[in-house]
Amino acid sequence: EVQLLESGGGLVQPGGSLRLSCAASGFTFSSHAMSWVRQAPGMGLEWVSGITGSGSTTYYADSVKGRFTISRDNSKNTLYLQMHSLRAEDTALYYCAKEERLNALYGVFDYWGQGTLVTGSS
Amino acid sequence: EIVMTQSPATLSVSPGERATLSCRASQSVSSNLAWYQHKPGQAPRLLIYGTSTRAIGIPARFIGSGSGTEFTLTISSLQSEDFAVYYCQQYNGWPPGGTFGQGTKLEIK
Repeated sequence: EVQLLESGGGLVQPGGSLRLSCAASGFTFSSHAMSWVRQAPGMGLEWVSGITGSGSTTYYADSVKGRFTISRDNSKNTLYLQMHSLRAEDTALYYCAKEERLNALYGVFDYWGQGTLVTGSS
Repeated sequence: EIVMTQSPATLSVSPGERATLSCRASQSVSSNLAWYQHKPGQAPRLLIYGTSTRAIGIPARFIGSGSGTEFTLTISSLQSEDFAVYYCQQYNGWPPGGTFGQGTKLEIK
């Protein structure tokens, strides 16, 4: 059974940093691209960042480029999102999501975690 | 960036009836269109990808159709567990993770 378990969310002041983690199990982690997708309160879904199965290529939404860094440790089956210079508009529930196809990032997410909440506070 | 627009924002339907949800893209996305179901407190669930291919374990009552810029998700004979928010997503080009519509809330009439 595929499982994705996010952690690391919390309350953070504007300009602060936070690192999210996503522990994966039930599939060959290194064979699938992974992404972070967020949902701000009362809003829809927004893709944030993605990384290929090998970790060699990363992608970012314009809204987070230069502030967030996605990475993965395939030996630990874990995905990360390092967030810096956090803004009020980054407040959201952050989901990690598994790419349905092998290796590359196509944008079809067949499994999602339950999410971890990042809240900006002044 | 391709903008996805879903209609209606809220749809009220009785159990056992058919629901039709619409999704429009600001430019052609070919057949690179997916649908997700999202219930409060749960992980989103992939229903359809490639416009009409059901994901593993998705019942046949979920039917996707369309092409280019106009897409439809039809749920025939609604079950109680189908009441949720539904998102369409295009994954044709930039950004690589796609863009989502604002969602349609399917509620019990």
